[in-house]
Amino acid sequence: AQSVSQHNHHVILSEAASLELGCNYSYGGTVNLFWYVQYPGQHLQLLLKYFSGDPLVKGIKGFEAEFIKSKFSFNLRKPSVQWSDTAEYFCLGGSARQLTFGSGTQLTVLP
Amino acid sequence: DAGVTQSPTHLIKTRGQQVTLRCSPKSGHDTVSWYQQALGQGPQFIFQYYEEEERQRGNFPDRFSGHQFPNYSSELNVNALLLGDSALYLCASSLGTGPFYGYTFGSGTRLTVV
Repeated sequence: AQSVSQHNHHVILSEAASLELGCNYSYGGTVNLFWYVQYPGQHLQLLLKYFSGDPLVKGIKGFEAEFIKSKFSFNLRKPSVQWSDTAEYFCLGGSARQLTFGSGTQLTVLP
Repeated sequence: DAGVTQSPTHLIKTRGQQVTLRCSPKSGHDTVSWYQQALGQGPQFIFQYYEEEERQRGNFPDRFSGHQFPNYSSELNVNALLLGDSALYLCASSLGTGPFYGYTFGSGTRLTVV
């Protein structure tokens, strides 16, 4: 069965700090990996996605993620976070038929 | 604008009752997936509808059923509500054929069972 794991449940950073959120997946077949963000009171929004090709993926708002096949990981990074990045971040993996969510990471950025 | 419309946004039901939630997919999308997000947890996959049929199902009891209409909109029905069914129910739409670009999510329906 496919699974997606996020190990950081709550991360607190100061503005301008660097961010890395962990995501590990375990399933076979075609790899489709996503990071979504949910700002307070808003719907889930796509940050970036990886299907194949260059393992370093650039997304919106300065976010990027690196697919490392040997580690089954797809960590999300941002060099310098802002207060407005406070949100919940979800890693998803799977296929068009079924996407599996990780448990989510709540990021709080202190001004 | 999420592109995916869910209704109602909130509702309160009594244990044992039945509820119907509705979803209109993003324009151009033909596949609808439903997720349940309990407080403090990640969303759990309920089922997916494509071409008016249930194509995939997660680990949810038969009390959870759905329907997809010819215009691709979808309903989620839950019978014999339990307190544990209280959650945010998310609808996501996508394209069922061709390249897969991910899901577009609605804002959800918050169901409270009392």
